[in-house]
Amino acid sequence: QVQLQESGPGLLKPSQTLSLTCTVSGGSITSGSFYWSWIRQPAGRGLECIGHKYINGGTIYNPSLKSRVTISVDTSKNQFSLKLSSVTAADTAVYYCARVSTGGWHPPIPNWVESWGPGTLVTVSA
Amino acid sequence: HSALTQPASVSGSPGQSITISCTGSISDMGHYSHVSWYQHHPGKAPKLIIFEVSYRPSGVSNRFSGSKSGDAATLTISGLQAEDEADYYCSSYTSTTTLVFGGGTKVTVL
Repeated sequence: QVQLQESGPGLLKPSQTLSLTCTVSGGSITSGSFYWSWIRQPAGRGLECIGHKYINGGTIYNPSLKSRVTISVDTSKNQFSLKLSSVTAADTAVYYCARVSTGGWHPPIPNWVESWGPGTLVTVSA
Repeated sequence: HSALTQPASVSGSPGQSITISCTGSISDMGHYSHVSWYQHHPGKAPKLIIFEVSYRPSGVSNRFSGSKSGDAATLTISGLQAEDEADYYCSSYTSTTTLVFGGGTKVTVL
């Protein structure tokens, strides 16, 4: 059973860059047909996809965040990372890393979220 | 992309059945059958309970079932139990090639 764990600073000031890392254990980040994804949930609100990275393909970003987001993978460390630039208070949320199944579809699509990390709260405040 | 529309809350007594609706558009559920549902107890990681509209992952109770008609999906919880009290989210693949979620439905067991 794969497990995911987010890590990174919990408090940022406006205009800074949010950087989070997700460490994957119990399985290789290079195996299977999965997207490695970041999802967030502002307090009292619903879930929002930030983006997805396919090991053998490209990266998909939420159009509303695309200009500020980078998702990258470090296969040597079995980790993937999120960078979100120019943060504001609106970026305050619980951030989840996740493994998203393609369901075997070709071309591969982000289909359902199979595994989630426990989540980490990131607060943006002056 | 706009979030999918779910009722804010649904309640039921133990043993009853409840349904949670999830309405999308032609850009997501109206065009694709890649609908999933998640159970979220606050403070914990969300849990996948339905994928591809109506399939249950191994280990998920058969009291949970899903369906879809047009641009709307439905989650049914039968034989409601106290442990089912949680937030529930629907999700769909979209034409923008990412995933969109509903706003969430709080289920209360009376």
